[in-house]
Amino acid sequence: AQSVTQLGSHVSVSEGALVLLRCNYSSSVPPYLFWYVQYPNQGLQLLLKYTSAATLVKGINGFEAEFKKSETSFHLTKPSAHMSDAAEYFCAVSDRLTGGGNKLTFGTGTQLKVEL
Amino acid sequence: KAGVTQTPRYLIKTRGQQVTLSCSPISGHRSVSWYQQTPGQGLQFLFEYFSETQRNKGNFPGRFSGRQFSNSRSEMNVSTLELGDSALYLCASSLDGSRYGYTFGSGTRLTVV
Repeated sequence: AQSVTQLGSHVSVSEGALVLLRCNYSSSVPPYLFWYVQYPNQGLQLLLKYTSAATLVKGINGFEAEFKKSETSFHLTKPSAHMSDAAEYFCAVSDRLTGGGNKLTFGTGTQLKVEL
Repeated sequence: KAGVTQTPRYLIKTRGQQVTLSCSPISGHRSVSWYQQTPGQGLQFLFEYFSETQRNKGNFPGRFSGRQFSNSRSEMNVSTLELGDSALYLCASSLDGSRYGYTFGSGTRLTVV
């Protein structure tokens, strides 16, 4: 089974500073990787996904992530943080199931705080 | 294109009761998955339905069940509620359950008292 590790349960940055959220994966097959964002009392919104095409993936709201196979990483970055980026971020890997279909296996999440 | 709709948004139930949650996927999507989110366990896969059949199930007790209708709408049911069932229940819609990802609804917040 695939797994995902997110380093840092809480990250705090100043507005305008670089955002870096870390994600490492464990997968026995080429992984499909995702970043989701969750605002309070909301569902999960897809930020971006890696599906074995370009290794640098651009997503919504200025976020991007780079797939690095040698480091088994898929870190999320944004050059300049905005107050509206404060939320919880989840990295996930798509896990093939024996019954057919897939499920998402999530990391434990990183709460991003943006300070003035 | 309408998104994934989950109803109700909030529920308060008493221990021992049962509850039914509803999910309407994106039009044309045939796969519906359910996830439970709690502060202690994070996001965990409950089950997946595809073309009215439960195709996969996570590691949850039999009190958790679900079904899918011919229009792809899905319901999940939890019987004999326990305090630990308090969680955000998220529904995810996919065209066919492929690896390309899922669209999530806003969730149903269940509180068991």
